[in-house]
Amino acid sequence: SYVLTQPPSVSVAPGKTARITCGGNNIGSEGVHWYQQKPGQAPVVVIYYDSDRPSGIPERFSGSNSGNTATLTISRVEAGDEADYYCQVWDSTSDHYVFGPGTKVTVL
Amino acid sequence: EVQLVESGGGLVKPGGSLRLSCAASGFSFSDYGMRWVRQAPGKGLEWVSSISSTGTYINYADSVKGRFIISRDNGENSLYLQMNSLRAEDTAVYYCAKGPYDSSIRGYFDYWGQGTLVTVSS
Repeated sequence: SYVLTQPPSVSVAPGKTARITCGGNNIGSEGVHWYQQKPGQAPVVVIYYDSDRPSGIPERFSGSNSGNTATLTISRVEAGDEADYYCQVWDSTSDHYVFGPGTKVTVL
Repeated sequence: EVQLVESGGGLVKPGGSLRLSCAASGFSFSDYGMRWVRQAPGKGLEWVSSISSTGTYINYADSVKGRFIISRDNGENSLYLQMNSLRAEDTAVYYCAKGPYDSSIRGYFDYWGQGTLVTVSS
């Protein structure tokens, strides 16, 4: 089955830039999507199809995808960005949705 | 405003059954594929099942195939998950999620409910 890898945690100071990677073999041939989940809340999509941003999501959130790695970038990090972030792809080989294990972002 | 409200969770013994419901509002339910995603306590997200807008096409995760049944009632704007032969490892918060188009496959999850907790324990 298709496997996605993410770093377990990323720490960043307020105002700085956080980068969260998502790795997988030929990742995102059908696009990579990113979700933010705060404690006790449902996930919210912050980036879809590699780099598109839903309405209401700050421009500070951006995404990219190249080769075997997709990256979610959070610029000018704020305390409110502290959350778990998950990447997700569609695996056309198995016809399954696949989530990465998640990355906990801590704002110092 | 899109709203997804899950219900039906609770405590069930191993081997038991439970039926989850998801009431949808704020969009044309019959035009969109729908999904169930679960999250075990302290763990990550796991896709469970998907259904196309008409209910014709259905997909299941290997972990639930043969035990869970997804269905929908477009007249009632509702999504369901019938869970049979439940195991301790099925303990999780179950989220109902909307897809961005009519298919059961591809894409992402653009709206999520708040989830309902299912606990499988003797």
